[in-house]
This record gives sequence, structure tokens and C-alpha cells, in this order.
Amino acid sequence: AQSVTQLGSHVSVSEGALVLLRCNYSSSVPPYLFWYVQYPNQGLQLLLKYTTGATLVKGINGFEAEFKKSETSFHLTKPSAHMSDAAEYFCAVRGTGFQKLVFGTGTRLLVSP
Amino acid sequence: DAGVIQSPRHEVTEMGQEVTLRCKPISGHDYLFWYRQTMMRGLELLIYFNNNVPIDDSGMPEDRFSAKMPNASFSTLKIQPSEPRDSAVYFCASSLSPFQETQYFGPGTRLLVL
Repeated sequence: AQSVTQLGSHVSVSEGALVLLRCNYSSSVPPYLFWYVQYPNQGLQLLLKYTTGATLVKGINGFEAEFKKSETSFHLTKPSAHMSDAAEYFCAVRGTGFQKLVFGTGTRLLVSP
Repeated sequence: DAGVIQSPRHEVTEMGQEVTLRCKPISGHDYLFWYRQTMMRGLELLIYFNNNVPIDDSGMPEDRFSAKMPNASFSTLKIQPSEPRDSAVYFCASSLSPFQETQYFGPGTRLLVL
């Protein structure tokens, strides 16, 4: 069965600091991996995804993630945090049904001035 | 495109009442998903449709929940009778095809059952 573990329910950074949100996955099939962001009172929005090919994936708003098969990880990074990055971030993996996504529990990113 | 549209955005009802949540997917998308988000359980997939046909409803919590998709542009999620533990944010999402994989989420319906 597929599953996702997001380490840290809350991450706090200062504006301009590096953002690192951790995601580890378990999958019995070649994984498709996703990061979604949820701003307050809104739906989820795709940040980036890995399906095949290059393991370093670039997404919107300066975020990127690297697929590391040996570590079963797909950590999300951004070199310099902005106040507008404050949101909840969800890692997800393709489920057993081709279209099903299995989401992690989310990590709330707090950005202080 | 207007994106995925959900209505109502907020619903407050009393225990035992019927609740109907509505979703209009992005035009041309052939997959539609219903999710529930709570603090305790996170984001859970309830059911999904392909070309208006339910494919997997294993996430539907119990018989009080039902979902329909009478046509490609409309779906409903019904709870009858509602209970306080159904209080949550319900999201609808849609996607183009199996190989597209990206799901586009609506803004959600915040349901409070008193």
C-alpha cells in the first residue's frame, strides 16, 4: 500500500531563510509524487510533481523538490522564504488506483519577519 | 476557465437534517473526486468518478453518505441524516486524464452540523 509521512506538523522560518519540508513515501508501484499548497480558506493547489525523468523538479513560486529513490524521499525546498509562503503544504503519492492520491498529514509553514 | 466550483461555501445545519453539497468540475475533465478534510483525519478521499461513473467509493464513511454524477458538469455529495461528526471541509477536485494526474481543487464547502 502507498503512504506518505511528513515530518513536522509545523515548521517556522524567518523571511529570507531556507525552507525545507520533509516527505518520505512508501509505494509498491513506481511512485508519482506531488506537493500541494493550501492557503487559508482555499482549496489545494499543485506546486510541483514528479512522474518520470529528471529527479529534481521545479515548481511554482520558486519551490523545488528532489526525488531520491534510495532514501524514499521527496523533500520540498525554497532558497529564500517570503511572507506569502505561509500556508499548509501536503505531500502526496499516487495510490493503488491510478487516479487516487494518498496525502500526508500536512506541514504548516510559518514565516516570521 | 473558472476552475472547480463548489456550493455552498458554508453550510450550518442541525443534526438529522439532509445536506447536499454541489460541485461543477472544470469543463472537459473526466475525473471527479470528493475529499473530506478534518483536523483529526487530515485529507481523505471519499469517492471518485470517471466519465460520470463511480470508480471507487471505499472511502465513503457509511451509508449516510451518497454521491452522484448525473452528467459531466455536475456532481452532488449528500449526507442523510447528518451528524455532528460530519463537520468538516469537503473538497471537490477534477482532473483531465489518467496521465495528466494533476488534480484541480475547488475552494471547499465548510460544513458545521450542530
